[in-house]
Amino acid sequence: GAVVSQHPSRVICKSGTSVKIECRSLDFQATTMFWYRQFPKQSLMLMATSNEGSKATYEQGVEKDKFLINHASLTLSTLTVTSAHPEDSSFYICSAREGFEDTQYFGPGTRLTVL
Amino acid sequence: DQQVKQNSPSLSVQEGRISILNCDYTNSMFDYFLWYKKYPAEGPTFLISISSIKDKNEDGRFTVFLNKSAKHLSLHIVPSQPGDSAVYFCAASQQGAQKLVFGQGTRLTINP
Repeated sequence: GAVVSQHPSRVICKSGTSVKIECRSLDFQATTMFWYRQFPKQSLMLMATSNEGSKATYEQGVEKDKFLINHASLTLSTLTVTSAHPEDSSFYICSAREGFEDTQYFGPGTRLTVL
Repeated sequence: DQQVKQNSPSLSVQEGRISILNCDYTNSMFDYFLWYKKYPAEGPTFLISISSIKDKNEDGRFTVFLNKSAKHLSLHIVPSQPGDSAVYFCAASQQGAQKLVFGQGTRLTINP
């Protein structure tokens, strides 16, 4: 149980384009989903928290107009990196939790490379 | 301000021996702690957790110990196996706060 999927697993795009990453909870309803990014050899940095049907809460320093998050259903959240630039290249990981559980279950991650 | 710290970036252990990974925290409001294992280019996998009302939780080869007075937790893996080689992250949360705060990770290498 508690499986989270992400799509795509890897994406390469040109600078200035937008990229959408999907995160799905496959066997549970995720009241809350989280988006992280990880730079090489560093820890996971929380970008934003999204609750189903409401606006995402962004961490300090994360541009909400650049990283658009939509949590339209209890099993799907999307992260759109708008007008991507090379410095946005990173490993993006989502996680989800069921109800009010404290444990988060992570997706496999998406490697974004912006040329 | 690093609220969760893993001071050892790497650890090397012989197969079959015990691996001990350590984690310290500074926020006394944290009341739930988790350990995740992560392979390169993959998302973290949940291993084990512990609530602040306990001081030990065991699941198979994995045991987590919590010392609230020292604000310290540790993960014991015994016996260590080659497949345990990965980066291990500890994380902490505060009830009602939703989000997890992660340590920097410790790379564990199990040598045959």
